[in-house]
Amino acid sequence: DVKVTQSSRYLVKRTGEKVFLECVQDMDHENMFWYRQDPGLGLRLIYFSYDVKMKEKGDIPEGYSVSREKKERFSLILESASTNQTSMYLCASSPPGGSGANVLTFGAGSRLTVL
Amino acid sequence: QKEVEQNSGPLSVPEGAIASLNCTYSDRGSQSFFWYRQYSGKSPELIMSIYSNGDKEDGRFTAQLNKASQYVSLLIRDSQPSDSATYLCAGPSGGYNKLIFGAGTRLAVHP
Repeated sequence: DVKVTQSSRYLVKRTGEKVFLECVQDMDHENMFWYRQDPGLGLRLIYFSYDVKMKEKGDIPEGYSVSREKKERFSLILESASTNQTSMYLCASSPPGGSGANVLTFGAGSRLTVL
Repeated sequence: QKEVEQNSGPLSVPEGAIASLNCTYSDRGSQSFFWYRQYSGKSPELIMSIYSNGDKEDGRFTAQLNKASQYVSLLIRDSQPSDSATYLCAGPSGGYNKLIFGAGTRLAVHP
């Protein structure tokens, strides 16, 4: 019954490494999102996409990029990981339009540690 | 910069009591708000949405929206230990496709 799948639950990377976080949804949702969650800061939006090959910056896009080549898959890329990117990363999706666009279904999260 | 603010807690209530979780927001134009629940180690899940001024009830949960005061609340009646979680308030940010979340309030219901 898993609907939003994140490829890795736990990752440990070194400073400067390139990191890929993958997210796949099986609900045919148009909208997909990447958030990071840090204690005391809540969820902060990094990037989102409302269609294949479309992307928009969220509130904290610096140091990140995204790719959406297929409707079901949304990837978050850290070109050169830094220690301040150690965090829990949450992928989410939602249907298009109206109030349903705000009903987010989240993946289980990917906890990234950058040493 | 649109903001959604919550008291981080923890809010501790005895089993059977009413838990009241509060949220304030800065964008006067916001029309709808959402409450997500996040158990420890799990991802958030939507539990309530409210689109108009007033109250909306769903079982033991009541969401309240006061647009004049820019205030949203979630009441949990007959609180149970299984309600212990972090509750995240969220509102629209720059279009209906995006949400801005508060930092969350941790609720602890003790037997």
